[in-house]
Amino acid sequence: SAVISQKPSRDICQRGTSLTIQCQVDSQVTMMFWYRQQPGQSLTLIATANQGSEATYESGFVIDKFPISRPNLTFSTLTVSNMSPEDSSIYLCSVDTNEKLFFGSGTQLSVL
Amino acid sequence: RKEVEQDPGPFNVPEGATVAFNCTYSNSASQSFFWYRQDCRKEPKLLMSVYSSGNEDGRFTAQLNRASQYISLLIRDSKLSDSATYLCVVPASGGSYIPTFGRGTSLIVHP
Repeated sequence: SAVISQKPSRDICQRGTSLTIQCQVDSQVTMMFWYRQQPGQSLTLIATANQGSEATYESGFVIDKFPISRPNLTFSTLTVSNMSPEDSSIYLCSVDTNEKLFFGSGTQLSVL
Repeated sequence: RKEVEQDPGPFNVPEGATVAFNCTYSNSASQSFFWYRQDCRKEPKLLMSVYSSGNEDGRFTAQLNRASQYISLLIRDSKLSDSATYLCVVPASGGSYIPTFGRGTSLIVHP
């Protein structure tokens, strides 16, 4: 299993500002996933973060809007840039250990 | 067919009832499957794994039907605390490293 510490747990932000979300894993993992979950919807993958290389973004998500850092095998950050109300969502980081997914506790973001 | 499909519900059942959810998948090469439970505004948490024909854990039974490409989750003697969204997840396979999530089935257990 894996234990993931994610912060902040929630934030209320003004439009046009940026928020950086951090995830710390208690073990070394090759890939970390960043998801967005809008109200009433399932999880949508934003990008996959590998240590030592650029993140791989899914269709509809770009690095300028969601820059990701992965400085080592236990840590990653996701920044939501130039926020708008449409970015209000829950953001989750996740790791895959023997096919099982473990999630951070999520960041509930509200943009005014 | 979508990769992973679930009936979104909500399933509204009384305490003590038995309820079952299905999840269909399109990738016949998938070997393992998972059910996750997600409470409102919380992260998904692993509930059960399904690797072969099925798996039972207390009041919960997960079954796999490879011929028809679906997995099911059966909850017996429902409790109020079972109220949540249940997500069906198919791990990455066939060269992809990305797991596939169903939309989730909402369960409401009422007194």
